[in-house]
Amino acid sequence: GENVEQHPSTLSVQEGDSAVIKCTYSDSASNYFPWYKQELGKRPQLIIDIRSNVGEKKDQRIAVTLNKTAKHFSLHITETQPEDSAVYFCAGGGTDKLIFGTGTRLQVFP
Amino acid sequence: GAGVSQSPSNKVTEKGKDVELRCDPISGHTALYWYRQRLGQGLEFLIYFQGNSAPDKSGLPSDRFSAERTGESVSTLTIQRTQQEDSAVYLCASSRLAGGPSGELFFGEGSRLTVL
Repeated sequence: GENVEQHPSTLSVQEGDSAVIKCTYSDSASNYFPWYKQELGKRPQLIIDIRSNVGEKKDQRIAVTLNKTAKHFSLHITETQPEDSAVYFCAGGGTDKLIFGTGTRLQVFP
Repeated sequence: GAGVSQSPSNKVTEKGKDVELRCDPISGHTALYWYRQRLGQGLEFLIYFQGNSAPDKSGLPSDRFSAERTGESVSTLTIQRTQQEDSAVYLCASSRLAGGPSGELFFGEGSRLTVL
């Protein structure tokens, strides 16, 4: 089955700097890779996703890249703000269940 | 309802007791997932229901765990003879699209289980 690994587990950046979170997956059949943000005490919410027929997707300050050959994908947040502080989860899946990475706790210091 | 609803929001039980957690997905969502999140940890897959297909139970950690779903409606997750390591938040999520997770998961607020 699918296995998703995520790094780093914690990330601290200064406000305005960029943050990058990386994930790898094991199942070459996986074709859908979403990213979820979980603020303290709240439920995870989708922030961006990418499908395997696309190499990059951008939404304002957030972008995701996918390298199918290497089986890894990354989340890029530019011009970070304190409200970006949260736990970010990557996930991978194909035609069935979605498997999540272990999460990255991002702290943005003003 | 407007979102995924889970109950109870908080459950404290004694070791050895059985517990039942309920999830009411968004109307029309054919896919339903249960995940477990231990304190400060990631989202651990437990079980996946997709329409009328047989559920994917590959994530259930032991035979003390079971889940049911009636059609495309309510799901219950049952933990028998609870152990302290079962303490966690149990998150339910539903998705509109069947045939795979090619759609946004909408999570409930979770059921926080504490086993004393």
